[in-house]
Amino acid sequence: GAGVSQSPSNKVTEKGKDVELRCDPISGHTALYWYRQSLGQGLEFLIYFQGNSAPDKSGLPSDRFSAERTGGSVSTLTIQRTQQEDSAVYLCASSSRQGANTEAFFGQGTRLTVV
Amino acid sequence: AQSVTQLDSQVPVFEEAPVELRCNYSSSVSVYLFWYVQYPNQGLQLLLKYLSGSTLVKGINGFEAEFNKSQTSFHLRKPSVHISDTAEYFCASTRGSYIPTFGRGTSLIVHP
Repeated sequence: GAGVSQSPSNKVTEKGKDVELRCDPISGHTALYWYRQSLGQGLEFLIYFQGNSAPDKSGLPSDRFSAERTGGSVSTLTIQRTQQEDSAVYLCASSSRQGANTEAFFGQGTRLTVV
Repeated sequence: AQSVTQLDSQVPVFEEAPVELRCNYSSSVSVYLFWYVQYPNQGLQLLLKYLSGSTLVKGINGFEAEFNKSQTSFHLRKPSVHISDTAEYFCASTRGSYIPTFGRGTSLIVHP
């Protein structure tokens, strides 16, 4: 596709349920990032994938959060036993190569509401 | 660890007035700096970036930013704003790590 695609765009779930958020990066992009955006908090880094390397999971807030990237392309962020504080917009981004000077391309995000 | 500070959470301005959105970074070594814009209900898109060379960087939509190493700043400016510039603006940095660190964002509100 032309850009980073995320689904669903909105998700309302009950506290305690598991949710899966999907990200389709730009074709050919080897780097993929997940961020969480809460009101007034900016973007909080969650996890980073680069090619076939082990992901950098240093930003995951708890063991209820996990992510995988299959075939070096599509990524799924899973939140188990959701809590109200998990409510936020989850943003996925990809970039064409590994490098600190590389621009990240963002999807429109998934707005998660835990009720 | 690197960090980025955006000093203003909200900046109101009248249409056609100039604007400056402030960003300071913490790093004593080489750093790459970015400004992204987020329009309502959209993802972030790149406005401009500083990698090296000229300290004045020009971006899209008439925005520019100046890298100031001595003040560790990378402020974003536009000489004349439009209503359509109303959005959230994020400053970001990378250094060594490939993972961009973002500031908390500045909401630019342009009034007619």
